[in-house]
Amino acid sequence: NAGVTQTPKFRVLKTGQSMTLLCAQDMNHEYMYWYRQDPGMGLRLIHYSVGEGTTAKGEVPDGYNVSRLKKQNFLLGLESAAPSQTSVYFCASSYPTRAGDQPQHFGDGTRLSIL
Amino acid sequence: RKEVEQDPGPFNVPEGATVAFNCTYSNSASQSFFWYRQDCRKEPKLLMSVYSSGNEDGRFTAQLNRASQYISLLIRDSKLSDSATYLCVVNHGSSNTGKLIFGQGTTLQVKP
Repeated sequence: NAGVTQTPKFRVLKTGQSMTLLCAQDMNHEYMYWYRQDPGMGLRLIHYSVGEGTTAKGEVPDGYNVSRLKKQNFLLGLESAAPSQTSVYFCASSYPTRAGDQPQHFGDGTRLSIL
Repeated sequence: RKEVEQDPGPFNVPEGATVAFNCTYSNSASQSFFWYRQDCRKEPKLLMSVYSSGNEDGRFTAQLNRASQYISLLIRDSKLSDSATYLCVVNHGSSNTGKLIFGQGTTLQVKP
């Protein structure tokens, strides 16, 4: 049982390059999320999606774009990478909820370095 | 003020010790609460949900005080394998988007 799968696991980019991080889940979850985690900052929400074809901004969306063309996939794009985007990126998914009572399930992360 | 605040630690304890972590949250509309565990360079994993009446899972006990907006996690008979960072997590108020707010985490080191 794969759960939430992120690719790639590691990547080094030069400033100004673009790339896409892929998140795939096989749990038929409706909701998906992208976070970044930096030392001393905890997990911060970048963008999220409550269903196929929908996306919304989180706490730190600038410099990122997302797409949810298929229910099982949630893509995070960096159009022009900057050193400030060096971080560990986590994708998560959950069942839909009205009361926020569903836990999120995480992928094992993508370590991204921007030089 | 951060929405979810935790003492970052580290807490250094000997094997077999009992250790308690505390967490406060600022949004009184939050309804759901969790503790996650994160090992070094790994993803966060759900440890347990926290219920109003308090709940226990083996050596782990979670408590919630809604009036004080305070959550706690008690670990009894600590094991070396309990060494990790423990994240206090609350839902984003009354939102139905499933958004969660994560504390920065409390680091636990259990020593032999």
